[in-house]
Amino acid sequence: SQQGEEDPQALSIQEGENATMNCSYKTSINNLQWYRQNSGRGLVHLILIRSNEREKHSGRLRVTLDTSKKSSSLLITASRAADTASYFCATDGAGGGADGLTFGKGTHLIIQP
Amino acid sequence: NAGVTQTPKFQVLKTGQSMTLQCAQDMNHNSMYWYRQDPGMGLRLIYYSASEGTTDKGEVPNGYNVSRLNKREFSLRLESAAPSQTSVYFCASSEGRTGGGKLFFGSGTQLSVL
Repeated sequence: SQQGEEDPQALSIQEGENATMNCSYKTSINNLQWYRQNSGRGLVHLILIRSNEREKHSGRLRVTLDTSKKSSSLLITASRAADTASYFCATDGAGGGADGLTFGKGTHLIIQP
Repeated sequence: NAGVTQTPKFQVLKTGQSMTLQCAQDMNHNSMYWYRQDPGMGLRLIYYSASEGTTDKGEVPNGYNVSRLNKREFSLRLESAAPSQTSVYFCASSEGRTGGGKLFFGSGTQLSVL
């Protein structure tokens, strides 16, 4: 079963605008991660936020985590055409990561030039 | 440093045929995983190996077997392929608990079962 659910399923914005994607999950987590997948490629890790953290930044990425609402958001600022991809949130299992991550269905982001 | 290498990249099978998907990582990771990705379904865990010598079922293990050959290699076998196994298969590895579960993925195997 899917632990994380991304919203929206698809998002199309103009280059230079900010893109926000949301993720909701169902059970307690140790950490939440965001991955990017370019068409026809494997997933690439973007950022990890631990359950005791509320916000984290990495370059143009900003991730927030609200454990009381079981939700996270990924903000990409000043979007570029190269940001066109699918974005997935993933949560860890009871094994603290050793038993894999549970992924959502993803948000497909299109950046219009 | 190649990361995670999967072979083959593409495969077409007929129903009932068998095949093995190969995966190797050169990052000295303890944990390895097999996921499948279907349109609109995200990624689902088939099997994982938390460490060399151990394997465990994930969310969708039926129809598959795995072998953790050594620390580097983790193979996925379809004994009798079915059309429902048409999917894109990803191998991944991680440091496991010590690494917080961050996964490194291969480029995938696109499998079609006719």
